[in-house]
Amino acid sequence: NAGVTQTPKFRVLKTGQSMTLLCAQDMNHEYMYWYRQDPGMGLRLIHYSVGEGTTAKGEVPDGYNVSRLKKQNFLLGLESAAPSQTSVYFCASSPRKNIQYFGAGTRLSVL
Amino acid sequence: RKEVEQDPGPFNVPEGATVAFNCTYSNSASQSFFWYRQDCRKEPKLLMSVYSSGNEDGRFTAQLNRASQYISLLIRDSKLSDSATYLCVVNIFSDGTSYGKLTFGQGTILTVHP
Repeated sequence: NAGVTQTPKFRVLKTGQSMTLLCAQDMNHEYMYWYRQDPGMGLRLIHYSVGEGTTAKGEVPDGYNVSRLKKQNFLLGLESAAPSQTSVYFCASSPRKNIQYFGAGTRLSVL
Repeated sequence: RKEVEQDPGPFNVPEGATVAFNCTYSNSASQSFFWYRQDCRKEPKLLMSVYSSGNEDGRFTAQLNRASQYISLLIRDSKLSDSATYLCVVNIFSDGTSYGKLTFGQGTILTVHP
C-alpha cells in the first residue's frame, strides 16, 4: 500500500538553483495538494489541483509552479530557490473534498 | 487574526491523565472540521472528524460549537503513545464551489510522561 509517495525525501539546494518535487498517489484520487510546514506557522497550502490538467493557487504560491499532467502525479517546481523556501513540503491527495492523505514529506534546505 | 487558532502548548501530562485541547476558527462559512495527529518529523494523519452532535472514538472525544466557532478534543486515560502534535483543521467552502480547502491550525504539542 504505497498511498502517497514523495520524492526526494531530503534535498539541499544553493540559492538560485531549481528543482522539482514529485508526488505520486496510487489511490485514484481526484484532488491533490502541496503544502509547506514551517515552525509556528502550521501547514500552508501552496497550490492544489482538482483533477488532471488543472491547477490552482493556494495561500502561498509565489516562487512555486505546479503541473498535473497525469492524474496520479502532482509536481511542484522551484525555478530559482531562495533561503525563504527552506521548509518541509508535504503532498496530499483526497478522494473527496474533505479527508486528505499525506505523503511522508520532503525536507528542503536552501543555502 | 489567524483563521484557525490553537494553544500551541506544550502540554505535559502523566500517563492516565485527561487532557483537553481547544481550537477557534474565524470563518463562519466553515463547513467541516477535523483533528489530525502529527508525530515528530512525520506526516499529518487524520485522527477524527468533528460533528456538531459530538463524537467519540475510544478515548478521544471531539466537540463542535458552531455558535461560538469553537472545537475541542478530549483525550482520556492518556498513553505514552499519544505524545504528538494535534492539528485542528477546518474546511472552508468559498466562491460557491463544491471544493473546500483545508486550513490548519499551528498545532498543540502533547507530551505524555510515565
